[in-house]
Amino acid sequence: EIVMTQSPATLSVSPGERATLSCRASQSVSSNLAWYQQKPGQAPRLLIYDASTRATGVPVRFSGSGSGTEFTLTISSLQSEDFAVYYCQQYNNWPLFGQGTKVEIK
Amino acid sequence: EVQLVESGGGLVQPGRSLRLSCAASGFNFDDYAMHWVRQVPGKGLEWVSGISWNSGSKGYVDSVKGRFSISRDNAKKSLFLQMNSLGAEDTALYYCVKDVGMLGRSAYLDYWGQGTLVTVSS
Repeated sequence: EIVMTQSPATLSVSPGERATLSCRASQSVSSNLAWYQQKPGQAPRLLIYDASTRATGVPVRFSGSGSGTEFTLTISSLQSEDFAVYYCQQYNNWPLFGQGTKVEIK
Repeated sequence: EVQLVESGGGLVQPGRSLRLSCAASGFNFDDYAMHWVRQVPGKGLEWVSGISWNSGSKGYVDSVKGRFSISRDNAKKSLFLQMNSLGAEDTALYYCVKDVGMLGRSAYLDYWGQGTLVTVSS
């Protein structure tokens, strides 16, 4: 059974700085990895799929990388609207989410 | 515009049943797999169940196997989740979610409803 582990649990970043979020799978999921953003009181929003492809309308400051078991979501220059919780999800089989990383204002 | 509207949540006693519904619009419902994902307030996302476009394939997280049953009515563009033997651990916001593919496995999720809250308590 695959386990998805995100780190860190909380990331404190100043506006304008770079944020790097990690997601690790306990076994290879190839590039079957998506990232979602969730703001308080809202449903999650798809950001990245196939590990590195931005979904429609997602700003270019969001980028994804990795394959196999190690994945990264990078936000190049944090904007105020980017402070949220981010989840990775593998889809090598039925969906499975990581536990999330909260990006908060430093 | 894709819309997913959940209903059927509420307060229910432990051991009782509840049936959630999701009304879909804005896309060809019978071309896509669908899922239920839940979230305990303040906690993370948990995939609960998924169903392929033709109901031929269904999946469940281990914690609900034998208690929950997913189904769909393509003619009515509706998704359902029958939840039996509910326990406090099932208390959560339940989201109806659209898959980008037909099968349910091996695809990501592109549209989410706003959720319906299920509270299991005596």
